[in-house]
Formats: sequence, C-alpha cells, structure tokens
Amino acid sequence: AQTVTQSQPEMSVQEAETVTLSCTYDTSENNYYLFWYKQPPSRQMILVIRQEAYKQQNATENRFSVNFQKAAKSFSLKISDSQLGDTAMYFCAFQPSQGAQKLVFGQGTRLTINP
Amino acid sequence: EAQVTQNPRYLITVTGKKLTVTCSQNMNHEYMSWYRQDPGLGLRQIYYSMNVEVTDKGDVPEGYKVSRKEKRNFPLILESPSPNQTSLYFCASSFGSTPYEQYFGPGTRLTVT
Repeated sequence: AQTVTQSQPEMSVQEAETVTLSCTYDTSENNYYLFWYKQPPSRQMILVIRQEAYKQQNATENRFSVNFQKAAKSFSLKISDSQLGDTAMYFCAFQPSQGAQKLVFGQGTRLTINP
Repeated sequence: EAQVTQNPRYLITVTGKKLTVTCSQNMNHEYMSWYRQDPGLGLRQIYYSMNVEVTDKGDVPEGYKVSRKEKRNFPLILESPSPNQTSLYFCASSFGSTPYEQYFGPGTRLTVT
C-alpha cells in the first residue's frame, strides 16, 4: 500500500520569504502522479501543482515549484516570495497511474505567513 | 459554473440517527469519491464510484454506504452514526482516470454526539 508522509506539522515564515514543505512517499509502482493541495481557512481543497513521475523536469506554477526526487521518493514544495494569502494547510498526495481513482494524502502541514 | 456541491455544509446529530450527505457535480464526470479529513491523518478515501451503479470501498468504508443511481449524484449514507464518524467530509469528482484533476466539494462538517 502506498503511504505519504509530511514530517512538518506546522511551519511559519515571514512574508516575502521562501519556504519549503517536505513530503516523502512509499510505493512499489514506477508510474504515478504527485500533487500538492492547498486548504485555506475556507476548507476548500485547491490544487496547487502536479507532477508526473515519468517526467524528470520539476513542475512549476508561478511562485510554486517542486523538487521531485524519484529515487529518494521525495516531493517537496517550494513557495517563493510568500504572501499572506499562502497561509493554509498544505497536503501532499499520491495517485497511482492504474487502478482505482484514489488520492493518498499526507497528514498535512499548516503554513502560516506572518506580516 | 463547473462545481461539486455538498449538502448540508454543517450537521450536528445524535448517535444512531440515520443521515445522508448529498453530493452533486455538473461536469458529467465519471469518477466520484468520498473522503474524510481528520487532524493528523489527512484525507482518507471512504468509497469511490467509477460510473453509474459501479462503486467500491476505499480505505475506511466501515459504517458508510453509498449509491450511484445517476451520474451526477453520489450520496454518502450513515445508517447508524457514531461519535467516531465526527469528521470533515469531502466529495470529489473527475472526468476519468489519472491524470485528470479531481474537483472537490466545499466539505461537510459532521458532529455526532
């Protein structure tokens, strides 16, 4: 069974700083997808970024980028020039390429951006 | 507007009183899922459906039922709720199998006393 681990329950940084959220996962599959979701106080789940395991190039979306290390099974999220609106719970998630349509989530990291 | 809706958004009930949380999507998605979110555990899948009349268990199905009689609707049924089912529940849908994005509903906060 796949597992996803986020070892940082909480993080706090100053506005405009760069912050990196860690995520590791365990799977025996070779093809899969990884995601970072943001959950602001409104509780809505918002997709931040997605990475296909077969792609070596790290995904980027504006201020958000990932460091995907397939051999190490690591998938960290970097937020550059952090903004107050980035304050949220962040979840790392894994999805196999075959079989059930299921996301396996990590425990979450609560990120606070301070003014 | 493309969206997943859930009702109710908040519910407080008592142990043993049957309840249904509705989920509806207007995107003609084939796949629908239910997740529950608990502190320190993230989100865990309860049940999923790959199409009408096709459902299967996720990781934590005990105490829950689902049905998929129409493509757009995927209700979650708790026939005899217990306090350990107090949680935040999310419905999600997607067009097909990976890598299509899953769209989440706004969540339903359930408290069972």
